Amino acid sequence: SQTIHQWPATLVQPVGSPLSLECTVEGTSNPNLYWYRQAAGRGLQLLFYSVGIGQISSEVPQNLSASRPQDRQFILSSKKLLLSDSGFYLCAWSWDSSVGELFFGEGSRLTVL
Amino acid sequence: AQTVTQSQPEMSVQEAETVTLSCTYDTSESNYYLFWYKQPPSRQMILVIRQEAYKQQNATENRFSVNFQKAAKSFSLKISDSQLGDTAMYFCAFRGSNYQLIWGAGTKLIIKP
Repeated sequence: SQTIHQWPATLVQPVGSPLSLECTVEGTSNPNLYWYRQAAGRGLQLLFYSVGIGQISSEVPQNLSASRPQDRQFILSSKKLLLSDSGFYLCAWSWDSSVGELFFGEGSRLTVL
Repeated sequence: AQTVTQSQPEMSVQEAETVTLSCTYDTSESNYYLFWYKQPPSRQMILVIRQEAYKQQNATENRFSVNFQKAAKSFSLKISDSQLGDTAMYFCAFRGSNYQLIWGAGTKLIIKP
């Protein structure tokens, strides 16, 4: 069976510090991978998605970047965090683009102080 | 641009009652998918039910069913015999030809004992 793991679950960082959130998928190969940010009362905002190693598409210009160094690893990063980067981040994967069902990780709560 | 609207920020019902969550969307496309996702407190988001727009029959999954009104662009979720474990945030989502999910803001559903 397939599983997705995302960490850390909770992170408190000072403004200007770097960020690295990691997500790994097991039990499948060549998944589509996604990073979302969830804001209260505003649903999910797609930040990045990837259809293969080294292939990253950005949906929203921001202070964040994503990388996919391995087939089942997806990393969300920032060189210098802003207060506005605080939020709940979700990693997800799907079999392919056609069906649309996403499988989500547990989420990472980021607080920037 | 496609949009998804969930007009009920929060709802609460007694256990065993039936509850209907509303979702409307806007699109000019004729072929698309609609989804309801559930996010329990401190747990992973999971897919509840999916509807293909070309199918006239409403999707059903055990106690969960949808009322899909394509002409009205309405996609409501009905939960029958509600249980305490149904307490969660529920998100409606749309997937069109560009394969990306458009999300509603969510409805917080509380099942009271």
